[in-house]
This record gives sequence, C-alpha cells and structure tokens, in this order.
Amino acid sequence: DADVTQTPRNRITKTGKRIMLECSQTKGHDRMYWYRQDPGLGLQLIYYSFDVKDINKGEISDGYSVSRQAQAKFSLSLESAIPNQTALYFCATIEAQGADYEQYFGPGTRLTVT
Amino acid sequence: KQEVTQIPAALSVPEGENLVLNCSFTDSAIYNLQWFRQDPGKGLTSLLLIQSSQREQTSGRLNASLDKSSGRSTLYIAASQPGDSATYLCAVRGATNKLIFGTGTLLAVQP
Repeated sequence: DADVTQTPRNRITKTGKRIMLECSQTKGHDRMYWYRQDPGLGLQLIYYSFDVKDINKGEISDGYSVSRQAQAKFSLSLESAIPNQTALYFCATIEAQGADYEQYFGPGTRLTVT
Repeated sequence: KQEVTQIPAALSVPEGENLVLNCSFTDSAIYNLQWFRQDPGKGLTSLLLIQSSQREQTSGRLNASLDKSSGRSTLYIAASQPGDSATYLCAVRGATNKLIFGTGTLLAVQP
C-alpha cells in the first residue's frame, strides 16, 4: 500500500462549488503539506501543518483552507472554487525527527474548475 | 527569498548518452537538497537526498552533487534509457523547513 494517499485522484467541478481534497498517510509523520503544481511554475506551498494543533499558511493560501483531523489526515478545501484553481494538487509528509528530512509525496489530485 | 532555478528547461538526448541536469539556488543556508522525478500527470518520486554537509549521493546510474557555497547541484544520469524520460525537479529545504522547488527539466531520451 502507498504511504501517502490522496482522494479523489481526479475531479471536475464548477465555479462556486465547495470541494475537499483528502490526504492520508501511514508513515506516522507529524508534518504534512499541501502543494499545487501549475505548468511552468513548479510546486507552490499552500498550507502546512507540524502537528494536529499547528497549521500554517504557505505562499498561496488565499482561497484555500485546511483541516488536520488527526496525525494521519490533512484535508484541503476550496470554499468557492474558481477556474484559476485548476491545477495538480499534491499532499506530502516529512518526518519531524531525524537527520534525513526526506519529503514523501502522494500521487496527486488533478482538479479542473469549469 | 530563496529561488531555485533549473537549466535547461527541456533536454532531448539519444539513448545511451550520459547527461547532467543543473540546479542552482540563491540562498546557501540550506539543510538539504532533494532531487525528484515526475512522470506525466503523476506524483513525485524521491531520487536522492543530499544533506548540507554532504558533497554527493549515488543511487544506481544516478549521482547528485552539491556545492553549497556556490549554490549549485547537479544530477548526473549515466547511460540514459528511454525509461528515464520524465521531468526532474530539485528542491531545497532551508531554515523555514519548507521545500522550495525549481520548475524542473523535462528530459526525453530517444530510443
């Protein structure tokens, strides 16, 4: 089984709709991240969480909100989707302790807002 | 503000060639640098992680180097294969513990 899973994998929605993207991890990591990827722009950080009670905004948090329901679950919500939120969304985790600090990514959710 | 640049943006080589992908970053105060591979429409697969105290890491046909003082890293791929075709991303982790990504190099290995 994959260590970091995302649901749904693909979603098409209409402008103004509320949508939630979910992320689950089995690695036991404390830190979880949400990124979006747009062609030619690389990955940009939306929100990150160091533990259940610690949520932080990233570079492009406007129009998004998150919920850390448990150590293993981190959800990203678009309260009122708009077309320029069409992108590939990635969830990632990192181990808080240890020297490696290697980041692990989920398979991504392709979101299209029409 | 940390900025990460990857050159070239795209590269096409014949099968069997050795090749080098470049990554540069503006702030040398990093904890580590990570190279990823991304296949079209797919997630990121971690290839190599180099800590700031290390000079290079090797995994199979891949070798990544890090020169922190000059703000540069290279990913060397030996004896390239068509299956190596993908986008390669580098990312640096700094004091904020966030990963800052480059925009990637799209590699095509022609059979």
